[in-house]
Amino acid sequence: DAGVTQSPTHLIKTRGQQVTLRCSPKSGHDTVSWYQQALGQGPQFIFQYYEEEERQRGNFPDRFSGHQFPNYSSELNVNALLLGDSALYLCASSFGSTFNTEAFFGQGTRLTVV
Amino acid sequence: AQKITQTQPGMFVQEKEAVTLDCTYDTSDQSYGLFWYKQPSSGEMIFLIYQGSYDEQNATEGRYSLNFQKARKSANLVISASQLGDSAMYFCAMREGQAAGNKLTFGGGTRVLVKP
Repeated sequence: DAGVTQSPTHLIKTRGQQVTLRCSPKSGHDTVSWYQQALGQGPQFIFQYYEEEERQRGNFPDRFSGHQFPNYSSELNVNALLLGDSALYLCASSFGSTFNTEAFFGQGTRLTVV
Repeated sequence: AQKITQTQPGMFVQEKEAVTLDCTYDTSDQSYGLFWYKQPSSGEMIFLIYQGSYDEQNATEGRYSLNFQKARKSANLVISASQLGDSAMYFCAMREGQAAGNKLTFGGGTRVLVKP
């Protein structure tokens, strides 16, 4: 049973460009959340998708957008990249999302903006 | 105010000894869950242990145990018999409330280095 898979694992982009990160959830999971982890810090919640809709959003600008497909996989898009967007982007999947729901994480995509 | 506070940025522990990682939280919800994750240098977040706000007993998972003190709003992780492979970042996280879509809120993490 494959866990959460993310692609690509590493990415280098130029300031101002756009990037798309992808996530396939663990089998049986219907909810996907995205987190940004800057170097030396804890992950920060970006947004969560359920039934192809954004259900909750953290304190991130509109440059960050996402999508969830009918097969529950998800994409994170970041437009007009800034140097400060350099981080590890983590995808987490779960079956539903209440206070006692365990989230499974992928290995992350390390984005470097130059 | 910080929702999750981890006051120890880094710790050394001798192999085979126990180590306690501190975590305090802040919430006004009655229903919440507390999670500990391990993050090795590879980047993946590995789930270790969960404690629900209504659980009366402290959670245990193998060498991991959670010292849950609800009145003090603390949820410290205890790793017994440390191994070299335990060297990693450790994050405490919380989900709040009964509503769907509850995000995980993470602390700043504690780096653990196990010495042989």
